[in-house]
Amino acid sequence: LAKTTQPISMDSYEGQEVNITCSHNNIATNDYITWYQQFPSQGPRFIIQGYKTKVTNEVASLFIPADRKSSTLSLPRVSLSDTAVYYCLVGLDTGTASKLTFGTGTRLQVML
Amino acid sequence: GAVVSQHPSRVICKSGTSVKIECRSLDFQATTMFWYRQFPKQSLMLMATSNEGSKATYEQGVEKDKFLINHASLTLSTLTVTSAHPEDSSFYICSANPISGNTIYFGEGSWLTVV
Repeated sequence: LAKTTQPISMDSYEGQEVNITCSHNNIATNDYITWYQQFPSQGPRFIIQGYKTKVTNEVASLFIPADRKSSTLSLPRVSLSDTAVYYCLVGLDTGTASKLTFGTGTRLQVML
Repeated sequence: GAVVSQHPSRVICKSGTSVKIECRSLDFQATTMFWYRQFPKQSLMLMATSNEGSKATYEQGVEKDKFLINHASLTLSTLTVTSAHPEDSSFYICSANPISGNTIYFGEGSWLTVV
């Protein structure tokens, strides 16, 4: 299983763009990269998933370089409600071979 | 997105009793579900992989006789904490990935308090 490394915490102000980078040096060929958001006392919520290059949806963008050894979650114009823990997970997300191991996550604090 | 539901969301039980937590995939079928536990301000720790129609596989250090997992159908997995003790008090979270799909979805979590 690929291990992930993220910053423990980050601070930002409302309206700013936040970029959280995750290192996954031993990512396997078939592994996808998935980011989740977790609020206190709730299960993780899917944000975005990618395999390579760039992926964008209505809430975030995911940048993955060619070597796939890292990825960056970009949250445009954050608000107070984006204060949460963000997890980067790497794994094969299909079938019985999939098993996601959580790293420490990044605790994002958004301030006024 | 896909919905995974857990029940109960909160449960209090007496020490020595058993408690069951259900995990249901509401709008998809899942041959595999996962159970995690999370202590306050810590990350999620994978406990076991629940396989429909076969035995669960447990992570190292997780007692299979204490944490019984049953995956009787493609939409339901249950975790039973047997002979619960106060140190079993935690937030338990399940996840499931659709048979046809590349994303794993998580339940809302279940708080277990053993008194």
